[in-house]
Amino acid sequence: DIQMTQSPSSLSASVGDRVTITCRASQGIRNDLAWYQQKPGKAPKRLIYAASSLQSGVPSRFSGSGSGTEFTLTISSLQPEDFATYYCLQHNSYPLTFGGGTKVEIK
Amino acid sequence: QVQLVQSGAEVKKPGASVKVSCTASGYTFTNYYIHWVRQAPGQGLEWMGIINPSGGSSHSAQNFQGRVTMTRDTSTSTVYMEVTSLRSEDTAVYYCARVPPDCSGGNCYSTNPDYWGQGTLVTVSS
Repeated sequence: DIQMTQSPSSLSASVGDRVTITCRASQGIRNDLAWYQQKPGKAPKRLIYAASSLQSGVPSRFSGSGSGTEFTLTISSLQPEDFATYYCLQHNSYPLTFGGGTKVEIK
Repeated sequence: QVQLVQSGAEVKKPGASVKVSCTASGYTFTNYYIHWVRQAPGQGLEWMGIINPSGGSSHSAQNFQGRVTMTRDTSTSTVYMEVTSLRSEDTAVYYCARVPPDCSGGNCYSTNPDYWGQGTLVTVSS
């Protein structure tokens, strides 16, 4: 199975801050990676697919980069509605595997 | 608009089975895969398996093989997931999710979920 190591597991940030979350795959997965945002009691919402493509309707302050084994989700200017938990997901091979999640909290 | 509507919450005893449904609308049902993902209370997301509504073929994660069965009814655009021999560790919210295919290489492969159901809480307790 491909392991997805996500870091940090949590972070505290202020509105307007630039936030970066990283996922590392245990083996190369090309760009077969997506990023999701999840708020309490809600289903995940896709933000990024194919590592760097922005989902329609998602604000442009979200961006993704990387290929192979190292991937990054960046929020350029954190907004109040961005406080949530973020997950990466690899779909290069079965079983699909998620990162452990990053909880973004208000400083 | 694309919608995936799941069945309601369930409470089951250890050893019992549960069958969760996921009814799709707003798109051509047989053109997209459906994945199942679960989330235990306070925990992360865990992939369970995939079903191709077109032919009905399915594949589940090794952790669930033998206990999870995925089926579909094309007449009602509904996918079902049954989990047997429930134990307390199966207490979780179960999500279905639509997954677009990637057919750029000639063959079609599953990618990653774009739309999700609202989730179904399954509680296993004696």
